[in-house]
Formats: sequence, structure tokens, C-alpha cells
Amino acid sequence: SAVISQKPSRDICQRGTSLTIQCQVDSQVTMMFWYRQQPRQSLTLIATANQGSEATYESGFVIDKFPISRPNLTFSTLTVSNMSPEDSSIYLCSVEDRDRGTDTQYFGPGTRLTVL
Amino acid sequence: GENVEQHPSTLSVQEGDSAVIKCTYSDSASNYFPWYKQELGKRPQLIIDIRSNVGEKKDQRIAVTLNKTAKHFSLHITETQPEDSAVYFCAASKGNEKLTFGTGTRLTIIP
Repeated sequence: SAVISQKPSRDICQRGTSLTIQCQVDSQVTMMFWYRQQPRQSLTLIATANQGSEATYESGFVIDKFPISRPNLTFSTLTVSNMSPEDSSIYLCSVEDRDRGTDTQYFGPGTRLTVL
Repeated sequence: GENVEQHPSTLSVQEGDSAVIKCTYSDSASNYFPWYKQELGKRPQLIIDIRSNVGEKKDQRIAVTLNKTAKHFSLHITETQPEDSAVYFCAASKGNEKLTFGTGTRLTIIP
């Protein structure tokens, strides 16, 4: 499976500021996703990062709050904008390589965000 | 959209006994059902998956069964060991579409 890294691994931020999280994969993949996992909760899909076009957001998530970039097939960023304490969560990217005929998703190590 | 329910939310079993976690899904078009294990502070790791063209799949102590008619699937762990303690998530998708996750089961193995 692909090797996935995320930066930063954790951060503590002040409310009203923004944080950009990076996701890097060691091989080209067709699909990249961003999830949020609140404490002791399940995984909630924020959006699908589309290479070369705008991300596809799930209900309840908007581009102004969570802008996403995907400049190529190995890299994506998620920005959490104008943060509030309710944004404190773990943010995970995942990848899926449909070109290899698989729809299996593999997760990055996550970014633990605390907003004060 | 798809809705996945998972039960129980917590499960404690004696070491060596079996554990069963059950999930139901709502969309009959779903055809891919993975299970993830998440240890404390770690990323979710895929442990087994099943597609709708088979009814059961086994990998050593882990097995998954699928009942398409009833729209439910289950994870079976036999001869449980302390390292099986974790949170387990089921998920469903139509294949090549997004995964919808269950709410998770916290499994504790009692030595």
C-alpha cells in the first residue's frame, strides 16, 4: 500500500486563525479524501480532493471554511479557516488508487488540532 | 445517502473467547464493505474487507460475513488476544464511491 504522511502531526492554535495541513503520498493515486474525527467519534468525510478541479464537499462542509488544494496526484492540502474550539479534532487524509483497480482506502497518520 | 449502523458500541470479552461486531447498511447498491481497526492515537488500519459477490472471507483469526438480503455484515474475531483491544469501524460503499463509516465499537480484551 502507499506510504502516506501528514504535516503537522499536531498543533495548538488560537481561535480566529487558520491552519493548513499537508498530505503527501509516495506514489500517484487517483483519489484523495479528507476526514475529520472528533474525540471518541467515528470518521466523517469532509471532502474529496480532485486533482485539477475544485474539491467535492459533503453536506455540512463548505469551501470557505475548509479550502482544499490538490495540485498533483501525490499531494493535497486542507486548510481549517477562522478556527474555533469546535474545530478541535483529528484530521486525516486517505487515498485510493482506482487506476490499480482497487477501491481500498488507506489513511494517513492524522493531524491532531487543538483550538484554544 | 447510505447509512451504516454498528453494534455494540462497546464490547468486553475474555482473552481467548470470540468477539462479534455487527453492522447494517441501508443502500442495497452498496457492494464493498471494509473493516478498520484503530488503536489509541493511531490511524485506522484496514484489517479485512468483503465485496458483495462473496458471502464470507477469512484471514487467520478474523472473518467477515455478508448477508446481502438482510443488508448486514459482521466481523468475527476468534481466540482474542490483548492486542486485539482497539476501536473497530465498519464501512460501506458502492465501490469507487465514498465510504460511509459506522459509529465504531470499542473492544476490550480482558486478560
